[in-house]
Amino acid sequence: QVQLVESGGDVVQPGRSLRLSCAASGFMFSTYIMNWVRQAPGKGLEWVAVMSHDGGYRHYADSVKGRFTISRDNSKGTLSLQMNSLGADDTGVYYCASEIDGFDMWGQGTLVTVSS
Amino acid sequence: QAGLTQPPSVSKGLRQTATLTCTGNRNNVGDQGVAWLQQHQGHPPKLLSNRKNNRPAGISERISASRSGNTASLTITGLQAEDEADYYCSAWDRSLSAWVFGGGTKLIVL
Repeated sequence: QVQLVESGGDVVQPGRSLRLSCAASGFMFSTYIMNWVRQAPGKGLEWVAVMSHDGGYRHYADSVKGRFTISRDNSKGTLSLQMNSLGADDTGVYYCASEIDGFDMWGQGTLVTVSS
Repeated sequence: QAGLTQPPSVSKGLRQTATLTCTGNRNNVGDQGVAWLQQHQGHPPKLLSNRKNNRPAGISERISASRSGNTASLTITGLQAEDEADYYCSAWDRSLSAWVFGGGTKLIVL
């Protein structure tokens, strides 16, 4: 069964760090471009970051550049997002999504709440 | 990053046809094509049509996508109650090296 499962979401104070993970199963993870997309409560989708299948390129949204780092371990089938210097605007559900001509597979998401 | 433009809401009756639009520029919609997503409340998004205007397996034939210049459209025929959801367009922007989303259209089926 094709599956993406995010974890690591939590309530954190402003300025702190958090690491999200996404476990892939049921497909050849190492051949897929992977993304993180987030959604603030009651708002639309916002793309966060992308990483090529082999790590050859990574790109970030301006809103997270310099604070977030996307990484992957193809041997374990996992995608990660290291988030530093978190602020209230980073609150939301974070989804990992695979990409073939569009975001074709999504996880259920993990909730990050940044609050003092 | 500048996003794509979608109307906030569209209302149509049961069994009618809805056409949702998405406007960008020559660096995203006009060059890279648009992928469309559907999201029901409390659920993750689901891909309806990819950048090549192809439907993934399992997506209804009532759904079709097209593009003309910098504007893309998603058409849903024979509207059903289950089609009531939020719809997002997305495109890769070659100048930004970033994905951009539309703000979403809430489709209301009357």
